[in-house]
Amino acid sequence: QVQLVESGGGVVQPGRSLRLSCAASGFTFSSYGMHWVRQAPGKGLEWVAAISYDASNKVYGDSVRGRFIISRDNSNDKMFLLMNSLTPEDTAVYYCAKRAQAGWYYLDDWGQGTPVTVSS
Amino acid sequence: QSALTQPPSASGSLGQSVTISCTGTSSDVGAYDRVAWYQQHPGKAPKFIIYDVNNRPSGVPDRFSGSKSANTASLTVSGLQAEDEADYYCTSDSGSNSVLFGGGTKLTVL
Repeated sequence: QVQLVESGGGVVQPGRSLRLSCAASGFTFSSYGMHWVRQAPGKGLEWVAAISYDASNKVYGDSVRGRFIISRDNSNDKMFLLMNSLTPEDTAVYYCAKRAQAGWYYLDDWGQGTPVTVSS
Repeated sequence: QSALTQPPSASGSLGQSVTISCTGTSSDVGAYDRVAWYQQHPGKAPKFIIYDVNNRPSGVPDRFSGSKSANTASLTVSGLQAEDEADYYCTSDSGSNSVLFGGGTKLTVL
């Protein structure tokens, strides 16, 4: 079965960078687009970024565009999110998710999330 | 782009039906039949339960159904069960290479 495991979260000071990882298994990773979605404490879901199966297309949400970089390593079945110039507003649980066959904008499998806290 | 609008809360009694709305604009919900719904229990990852307005992924009970009229999509949960108590989020493709989420609705089963 599909398994997505996020890692790399933690506490980081404002202005610093952090790199999240998402390890995938149970499906042909190199055939699927992937997403990052975040959820601030007590708040709703916010789409962060997506990357196509071959990394040729990357798209970002307005609040992270220009600061975050999404990437993937198909040889090791991993996806990454490099988060730069972090602010307290980036504090959230970050989920990786796999796109569904029905469309790149649908997320049919999710990891359990990794928490990121931006605080001095 | 603004998030899709959902009521913050909804409730229904065991065995009854409840409908949750998701209002967008003519550029997202109204423009495409690409609406999805996700269920999230506290402390858990979201679960994909509806796509293309009214289709269910394999394994999702047929108690969950979706519909759309103009710029508003709806999720109906019939025959409410205790385990349906959760947060529900809608999304819509906006045709602009982004995914819009609704603000979420907390469903309480009475």
